[in-house]
Amino acid sequence: QVQLQESGPGLVKPSETLSLTCTVSGGSVSSGAYYWSWIRQSPGKGLEWIGHIYYTGSTNYNPSLKSRVTISVDKSKNKFSLKLTSVTAADTAVYYCARVQDIIVVIDAAQGVEWYFDVWGRGTLVTVSS
Amino acid sequence: DIQMTQSPSSLSASVGDRVTITCRASQSISSYLNWYQQKPGRAPKLLIYAASTLQSGVPSRFSGGGSGTDFTLTIGSLQPEDFGTYYCQQGYSSPFTFGPGTKVDVK
Repeated sequence: QVQLQESGPGLVKPSETLSLTCTVSGGSVSSGAYYWSWIRQSPGKGLEWIGHIYYTGSTNYNPSLKSRVTISVDKSKNKFSLKLTSVTAADTAVYYCARVQDIIVVIDAAQGVEWYFDVWGRGTLVTVSS
Repeated sequence: DIQMTQSPSSLSASVGDRVTITCRASQSISSYLNWYQQKPGRAPKLLIYAASTLQSGVPSRFSGGGSGTDFTLTIGSLQPEDFGTYYCQQGYSSPFTFGPGTKVDVK
């Protein structure tokens, strides 16, 4: 059974870069069946999707964070990572990594793709403070 | 971005009660709607995807319905372990967005 585990500093200074890693066990980031995502949760903004990556390195980011976010994948170490630059107190949150499923849904002969998060890490609290 | 709203924001119900939570999208999202349960200090757990498909291992007392902009999550017979906060999430288009949550307390 696949498990995800976040790791990284719990305290980051304002204006610096937040860096987190998600280690995947019981499965492979190179599996073409899934994408790999970062999601954060703060009291003020609730659950917020940050972005996701495919094993090929193809990424999709939330436009609200796109200018500051980089998600990368290390297939040799079965990990993927998040970098968020120029952080402020507003970036204080619990950060989760998650596996993303994209499935084909057919309704009334119309076909589309549905996206959901089926496996989550435990989450790691990152506080931005000097 | 597609905005998601939920009602009620919180509820308290007794064991055995039938509980329904509503989620509304700011535009039609077909059936691309997912539900999660989160307990304090834990990550969200997927309950239902594609509006009505139960995730493997989730008890059958949970069910989902709706399409377009209006969706429901129903707990057929509330159990003590069902306390927590429930979130909807649209899987229709990026950026994927979540509702603000409905907190469920079991009396």
